[in-house]
Amino acid sequence: NAGVTQTPKFQVLKTGQSMTLQCAQDMNHNSMYWYRQDPGMGLRLIYYSASEGTTDKGEVPNGYNVSRLNKREFSLRLESAAPSQTSVYFCASSARGRFEGYTFGSGTRLTVV
Amino acid sequence: GDSVTQMEGPVTLSEEAFLTINCTYTATGYPSLFWYVQYPGEGLQLLLKATKADDKGSNKGFEATYRKETTSFHLEKGSVQVSDSAVYFCALSEGEGTYKYIFGTGTRLKVLA
Repeated sequence: NAGVTQTPKFQVLKTGQSMTLQCAQDMNHNSMYWYRQDPGMGLRLIYYSASEGTTDKGEVPNGYNVSRLNKREFSLRLESAAPSQTSVYFCASSARGRFEGYTFGSGTRLTVV
Repeated sequence: GDSVTQMEGPVTLSEEAFLTINCTYTATGYPSLFWYVQYPGEGLQLLLKATKADDKGSNKGFEATYRKETTSFHLEKGSVQVSDSAVYFCALSEGEGTYKYIFGTGTRLKVLA
C-alpha cells in the first residue's frame, strides 16, 4: 500500500547509544516531517524538510539530527540517547502547500533506559 | 504564536450518542484547519479539513465547520459507534508558504456498547 513506512517499530536503547530512525514515502510528496508524541503534550515537531535538499528545525530539535537522503527518504538520528527521548516518533509527509494534510507513518516506539 | 486548544479528555459516551469535541485556535493569518484520528497502535489519519471560513469538512459521519468569528472548529458526529473509539487531534497550518502544522494535545474518545 502507498504511504509512509517507518522502521523500526520498536526499539530499546541504553543511555548514550546512538540510532537512526528511517522513514520513506512513495507518494511523491515534497515535504517530510518528524514529530514526537508524549502523553499530554500532543505532537511536537522535531525537524522538517520542506523539499529535497532542505531541512529546518522545529519546536524540539535538541539532541536530534536529520538527513533528507532523497525525495523519498528522511531519517532521524539520535547521536547520544537520553531517557528524555523516550517517546513515540512519527514521520509524516505532505504535498507542498498549507491546504494539504499530512500522511503519517505508523510510528516508532523508542525507550531509552 | 499560533496555537490549538482542545477539550480535555477522556470523553466517554454510549453507542449512538451525539459527539462534540471542542477545538479553538489562535492564528495571526488565515489557517487551514484539520481533524486527525489516531486508533490504538497506529499513526494519525486525516479525518477532515476546511481551508477557509464557513467551510464545512465532513467524512465518515463526522463534521466540523470553520468558524472565524469564534475561532473554532468543533468536531461533531450524530451517532457514535464503538469503532469510533480513538484519540482525535485538531490541527492548523500556519500562514502562507509554510509547511508546518500545529497540533492540539488530543482528546481521547471511548464509546461503550
